[in-house]
Amino acid sequence: AQKITQTQPGMFVQEKEAVTLDCTYDTSDPSYGLFWYKQPSSGEMIFLIYQGSYDQQNATEGRYSLNFQKARKSANLVISASQLGDSAMYFCAMRELPTGNQFYFGTGTSLTVIP
Amino acid sequence: EAQVTQNPRYLITVTGKKLTVTCSQNMNHEYMSWYRQDPGLGLRQIYYSMNVEVTDKGDVPEGYKVSRKEKRNFPLILESPSPNQTSLYFCASSRSRLIPYTQYFGPGTRLTVL
Repeated sequence: AQKITQTQPGMFVQEKEAVTLDCTYDTSDPSYGLFWYKQPSSGEMIFLIYQGSYDQQNATEGRYSLNFQKARKSANLVISASQLGDSAMYFCAMRELPTGNQFYFGTGTSLTVIP
Repeated sequence: EAQVTQNPRYLITVTGKKLTVTCSQNMNHEYMSWYRQDPGLGLRQIYYSMNVEVTDKGDVPEGYKVSRKEKRNFPLILESPSPNQTSLYFCASSRSRLIPYTQYFGPGTRLTVL
């Protein structure tokens, strides 16, 4: 079974609107970390936000927030007030702890921000 | 400047010609890892290392070798490259093997095997 599932290959959003990128995960470990990365067309991988499985609050970093629904095993990324520079691939990832040492990535969502 | 460096950034080679992609980090990170990125498949982990002399297979280790003789370096070796190893490769490092700190990625190496 896929550890990380991103079901939206491509998304469009109007500039200044909010957008949600979906991510579901599969693990039986109680302790894990969830990450979102951005990959612009230039190719580098940029860390956006992190959520720990025991964190009580949803993570936020500027315009990025993570909608963490533990029972549903979902960790959706919300980008508020989209900007043209947000156009990129977005990857959800997970690392299980304490025994797991692998990082698992989803297949990514390509976001295009329309002026 | 804290960074992960990879060399070369671009490489075109032929089937069977051994090659090494170097990876180095200057952050004293314990955890290092190699990924390949292919269209529609996302990033898949090839090998990872939790510390010096400790390496383990990821999801797609076939055809690759790694070594971790020093903390800062984690080279990826393709002993006999084949066309199906044409891909974009990323090296990454993370502060600790125990706590899920994020990974810092190198700039990527685009490999073409003819």
